[in-house]
Amino acid sequence: QKEVEQNSGPLSVPEGAIASLNCTYSDRGSQSFFWYRQYSGKSPELIMSIYSNGDKEDGRFTAQLNKASQYVSLLIRDSQPSDSATYLCAVKPGGYQKVTFGTGTKLQVIP
Amino acid sequence: DAGVTQSPTHLIKTRGQQVTLRCSPKSGHDTVSWYQQALGQGPQFIFQYYEEEERQRGNFPDRFSGHQFPNYSSELNVNALLLGDSALYLCASSGTGPEAFFGQGTRLTVV
Repeated sequence: QKEVEQNSGPLSVPEGAIASLNCTYSDRGSQSFFWYRQYSGKSPELIMSIYSNGDKEDGRFTAQLNKASQYVSLLIRDSQPSDSATYLCAVKPGGYQKVTFGTGTKLQVIP
Repeated sequence: DAGVTQSPTHLIKTRGQQVTLRCSPKSGHDTVSWYQQALGQGPQFIFQYYEEEERQRGNFPDRFSGHQFPNYSSELNVNALLLGDSALYLCASSGTGPEAFFGQGTRLTVV
C-alpha cells in the first residue's frame, strides 16, 4: 500500500464548475496535510495546509480533512483554465519528519 | 524577501560523472530537504539537513550525499551518475512551522 494515494487522472471539469481532488494516506500518526499545485515543467507551489479535522477555506480553495477515514480532499470552486495543473497531496507526521507526496492528480479545466 | 533559490536550473551530464546542485533556503528558514521527481511521479524524499547535519534520509543510495553550510544553504552531490538519475531535483526549505516551500528545481539530464 502506498503511503499517500491519489487518482492520477486526468480529471476534466468545465470552466466555472467545482473540481474535487481526493487523497488517502496510510500513516495514522500524520499531523500535517498539504496541497501543492504543480504546473508542467515547474516546481510545486504550496496552496493549502490543514492540520485539524474539518474544512479550511482560502478563496476559491477548500481543504477537507477526516483523520478517522485517513482522507484529505481539495475543492476548487469556479474552476478556471489557469487551474489546470497537477495537484500533489502531501502528508507529514509530527516534528521534523519528512513530507511524503502522492503521485498527483492532473486537473484539466475545459473553457 | 527572496524565496528558495536553486542553481543551476538545467544541467546535462554524462553517465559516470559527478554533479553538485545548490540551494539557498527562504530567509528565516534553517532546514533544507532535497527531493527527486521523475516524470509523472511525486517528489521522492532524498534527505534533510538541519544544523549542518543530515537529520533524515530516504531510500537513496550512498551515491547521493549532501552538505549544509553555516548560512543554511545546502548542496546535493550525486556521484557515478546513471541514466535513471535524470529527474527534476527539488530543494524545499522550512523553519519552525510544518510548511515547506520549494525552489524552482534543477532539471538534470544524464546522457
